[in-house]
Amino acid sequence: QLQLQESGPGLVKPSETLSLTCTVSGYSISSSSYYWAWIRQPPGKGLEWIGSIYYSGNTYYSPSLKSRVTISVDTSKNQFSLNLTSVTAADTAVYFCARRRRVRSNGGDYYNWFDPWGQGSLVTVSS
Amino acid sequence: DIQMTQSPSSLSASVGDRITITCRASQSISNHLNWYQQKPGKAPILLIYGASNLESGVPSRFSGNKSGTDFTLTIISLQPEDFATYYCQQGSATPWTFGQGTKVANK
Repeated sequence: QLQLQESGPGLVKPSETLSLTCTVSGYSISSSSYYWAWIRQPPGKGLEWIGSIYYSGNTYYSPSLKSRVTISVDTSKNQFSLNLTSVTAADTAVYFCARRRRVRSNGGDYYNWFDPWGQGSLVTVSS
Repeated sequence: DIQMTQSPSSLSASVGDRITITCRASQSISNHLNWYQQKPGKAPILLIYGASNLESGVPSRFSGNKSGTDFTLTIISLQPEDFATYYCQQGSATPWTFGQGTKVANK
């Protein structure tokens, strides 16, 4: 059964870099077929997609965060990681990793959704 | 970016009630709309993808529909475990975006 688990520091100082890792179990990232994503949720607020990566290293990011985000993959460890630079208090959030599923519709285009998700990792930005 | 607007932002209901949550996209997304349920301190769980396709294992009291430009999530006969926050998400184009959420509380 596919499971995802986030790990990393729970506290980051302003202007520093937030780094998180998602460990995937029950499925090989390098088996292709899926993109892997980071999504965040500030306390008491909604969900924001940060970016996604393919096992080959192909990435795409939210334009609002693109200048500060790097997502990388380590297929040997079956992990993918998030780096977010120059953090501020506004980056305080629960960070989720998730698998992006993509299925062809009857019309020929693709449905895209996130499932499953990791349990989430709270990162607080504070001095 | 495609903006997703949910309504209402919250509602109060009782066990056994039928409830409907609406989601509207700022531009056409065909039927590329997904619904998630999130309980406090937990990750979201997929309920419906492609506007009306029930994810495997999700109870049949959940259903999704599209009418014009509006997408709806309906729960018939609300159960105690259904009190949660529900989010829509468009899967039409990046950046993937979510609605602001609808909290379903016990009346």
